[in-house]
Amino acid sequence: DSGVTQTPKHLITATGQRVTLRCSPRSGDLSVYWYQQSLDQGLQFLIQYYNGEERAKGNILERFSAQQFPDLHSELNLSSLELGDSALYFCASSVWDREDEQYFGPGTRLTVT
Amino acid sequence: AQKVTQAQTEISVVEKEDVTLDCVYETRDTTYYLFWYKQPPSGELVFLIRRNSFDEQNEISGRYSWNFQKSTSSFNFTITASQVVDSAVYFCALSGYNFNKFYFGSGTKLNVKP
Repeated sequence: DSGVTQTPKHLITATGQRVTLRCSPRSGDLSVYWYQQSLDQGLQFLIQYYNGEERAKGNILERFSAQQFPDLHSELNLSSLELGDSALYFCASSVWDREDEQYFGPGTRLTVT
Repeated sequence: AQKVTQAQTEISVVEKEDVTLDCVYETRDTTYYLFWYKQPPSGELVFLIRRNSFDEQNEISGRYSWNFQKSTSSFNFTITASQVVDSAVYFCALSGYNFNKFYFGSGTKLNVKP
């Protein structure tokens, strides 16, 4: 158990809908990272937050947004969902910034029908 | 352009064999980071190592070792005396100093048979 929790574990929704994925980092970790893993695109880095502020942005679509709250948990919002958004979404956390070892959550499997 | 190539799609070995997973990268940055991650059949991702471009020293952690060679743009991963529990997909990744440029390889599936 990495200490990083993600909810929900599974999510099935329809095209055009909006969903929110939640991540709680390990206690004391300030950084949260979001990744997407799909059959088509493989693994992709989406975005990183550090102590509430956006730190780095990867291949995140404009339809997607994220934030990190004062209690350091993070949410990834996916809107106007398309079939191609079906993927496993991982969250990871680290104590400080990208120099640190990352601990991954179990992932949220999103299925868009 | 930045790119990570893991040419070995799948490797099968018998337990106790040594195995090397290849990773070749392309970047024009002078400062960058290289990573290895493991994804066992259960699906979770596990961070294995991060290396910065200024540190070419090889790293050893138990049965795992990493060989970073800037001259050949490679960051290879060797498992010594492989075990069935090493069966997983292994991903190599590259990021610029700023995580904005972060690329994963396509992964190498390692099957370790008893």
